[in-house]
Amino acid sequence: GDSVTQMEGPVTLSEEAFLTINCTYTATGYPSLFWYVQYPGEGLQLLLKATKADDKGSNKGFEATYRKETTSFHLEKGSVQVSDSAVYFCALSDAYSGAGSYQLTFGKGTKLSVIP
Amino acid sequence: GAGVSQTPSNKVTEKGKYVELRCDPISGHTALYWYRQSLGQGPEFLIYFQGTGAADDSGLPNDRFFAVRPEGSVSTLKIQRTERGDSAVYLCASSESGRIDNEQFFGPGTRLTVL
Repeated sequence: GDSVTQMEGPVTLSEEAFLTINCTYTATGYPSLFWYVQYPGEGLQLLLKATKADDKGSNKGFEATYRKETTSFHLEKGSVQVSDSAVYFCALSDAYSGAGSYQLTFGKGTKLSVIP
Repeated sequence: GAGVSQTPSNKVTEKGKYVELRCDPISGHTALYWYRQSLGQGPEFLIYFQGTGAADDSGLPNDRFFAVRPEGSVSTLKIQRTERGDSAVYLCASSESGRIDNEQFFGPGTRLTVL
């Protein structure tokens, strides 16, 4: 079945440091890929997405490129801020999983703490 | 506008009891999903509704779990004979339709604790 593997945390960075959170996936079909973020005390929210190979999703300074050849969707940000402290989840939606429901398959999440 | 809401935010129950968890999706969203998130894990899919019907219930762990969406809006997840292993955060999400690239909007979750 489909699966998502992302780097384990927690990750602690100083403000303005470069961030990479690795994510690789296994899917039966041709999935859409997502990064969701959960800020402290809040619900999951979509950060960015990519729906086909070589697409780059971007939002709030974060970027991720859909790499079909390496089945990866790594999250990057050039300069993190304290306000980026949160748990980040990589996820996929695959047309060939389930009964056409396009449910999300999530990784375990990576907790990021940014210190001043 | 209003987002997805879930009630209660916290539920503590005893082993063997019955519980109901409610989800109010974003108005007009036809697709509704339930997920379960255990500590230190990502959310896991339980069931998907398109309108009133459960189109995909392949994620329900066993027959103690059941969900309904009788009028195509509010949904209730029902758990019979609760077990300690059912303790988790139950998340509801809705999207405009069931398309593969539709954003799913998540509620804040219900934290269920089975003693």
